[in-house]
Amino acid sequence: DADVTQTPRNRITKTGKRIMLECSQTKGHDRMYWYRQDPGLGLRLIYYSFDVKDINKGEISDGYSVSRQAQAKFSLSLESAIPNQTALYFCATSGLQGDYDGYTFGSGTRLTVV
Amino acid sequence: GDSVTQMEGPVTLSEEAFLTINCTYTATGYPSLFWYVQYPGEGLQLLLKATKADDKGSNKGFEATYRKETTSFHLEKGSVQVSDSAVYFCALSDKGGSEKLVFGKGTKLTVNP
Repeated sequence: DADVTQTPRNRITKTGKRIMLECSQTKGHDRMYWYRQDPGLGLRLIYYSFDVKDINKGEISDGYSVSRQAQAKFSLSLESAIPNQTALYFCATSGLQGDYDGYTFGSGTRLTVV
Repeated sequence: GDSVTQMEGPVTLSEEAFLTINCTYTATGYPSLFWYVQYPGEGLQLLLKATKADDKGSNKGFEATYRKETTSFHLEKGSVQVSDSAVYFCALSDKGGSEKLVFGKGTKLTVNP
């Protein structure tokens, strides 16, 4: 099994619908992140959590919310999806030494909002 | 704030050619530097890293040296293969600053046989 698992892998949804992307990890890491990837823009941080009781906004949090249900689970929600949220979404994890060791990424969720 | 600038692609090379992808950074603290690789349809994988000035990270024939004087971390490989075709991301984590990874925009590499 993958260290960081994202579900679903692909999703098409309609404008205005609520959608949840899920992430679970077996790394035992405390820190979890949600990134969005768009062509030509690289990866941009949406939200991050350094432990179960800690939630922080990233650079592009508007229109998104998150829930850290447990150390191993971190979900991203779009309350009312819009077409410009069409993107590839990545969950990542790191230990306390993430600044030295880097992050472990999931395989991504490709979301299309029509 | 912290930022990473890497050369724009796409880059197209023939097999066995020499590869350089430039990366420069700005940071307020003492960053660690990383190169990640994303193969088609997959997530990002850590390729190599360097945590202090003059360190050289290496993996799978790729190398990058942390140059504090030029704030650079250029990725090099002496002889690329078709299997190296991917998107490469330079990133930093600023231990004295945000402590989160900041990514460049990525450089797409295509290697032709």
